[in-house]
Amino acid sequence: EDKVVQSPLSLVVHEGDTVTLNCSYEVTNFRSLLWYKQEKKAPTFLFMLTSSGIEKKSGRLSSILDKKELSSILNITATQTGDSAIYLCAEGSGGSNYKLTFGKGTLLTVNP
Amino acid sequence: EAQVTQNPRYLITVTGKKLTVTCSQNMNHEYMSWYRQDPGLGLRQIYYSMNVEVTDKGDVPEGYKVSRKEKRNFPLILESPSPNQTSLYFCASSLLAGGRVGEQFFGPGTRLTVL
Repeated sequence: EDKVVQSPLSLVVHEGDTVTLNCSYEVTNFRSLLWYKQEKKAPTFLFMLTSSGIEKKSGRLSSILDKKELSSILNITATQTGDSAIYLCAEGSGGSNYKLTFGKGTLLTVNP
Repeated sequence: EAQVTQNPRYLITVTGKKLTVTCSQNMNHEYMSWYRQDPGLGLRQIYYSMNVEVTDKGDVPEGYKVSRKEKRNFPLILESPSPNQTSLYFCASSLLAGGRVGEQFFGPGTRLTVL
């Protein structure tokens, strides 16, 4: 069973739309929830959310951690074609290990 | 320039021929990690290292070995590659801050094909 589940798996929108991407995770020794953007190359970091930092914002992108629902959302407002990418979330576990478990990603396509 | 480098970027090899993919970072990061990315399966962690001589298994370690003899280098070794190890491989590094893996910087990727 997948530990980190992202939805939807793919999404097509028009420029200017607002999108919400979802990520759910398991609670075992939760340390952090990270979001990355992957275009045609390596992933690049967007946000890190923790129990003490549950909301982050950068320009048109924002993310919130819901500790009660064990989930996180990534919002993108006024989408642009340059936002087209795969968006990945990852859970950082705690305890004695430092594993990172990624979800399968959401493929976002923004059409002009 | 702060970066993670991987070599080679592309590799075609045959089953059973040992290979090493190198990874190096110049940011003095404690944490380094290897991932493989396959269509429909996302990014899966192979091995990670919290510091020199400290490594641990990720979710898909079978068929791979790693070592961390220096802080900057974290090579991935395939002793006897098989076709199911054909994949896109990423190395990444980050600081460990407050007991958490921080922002990871990814290398450019190595596309491996095993015939």
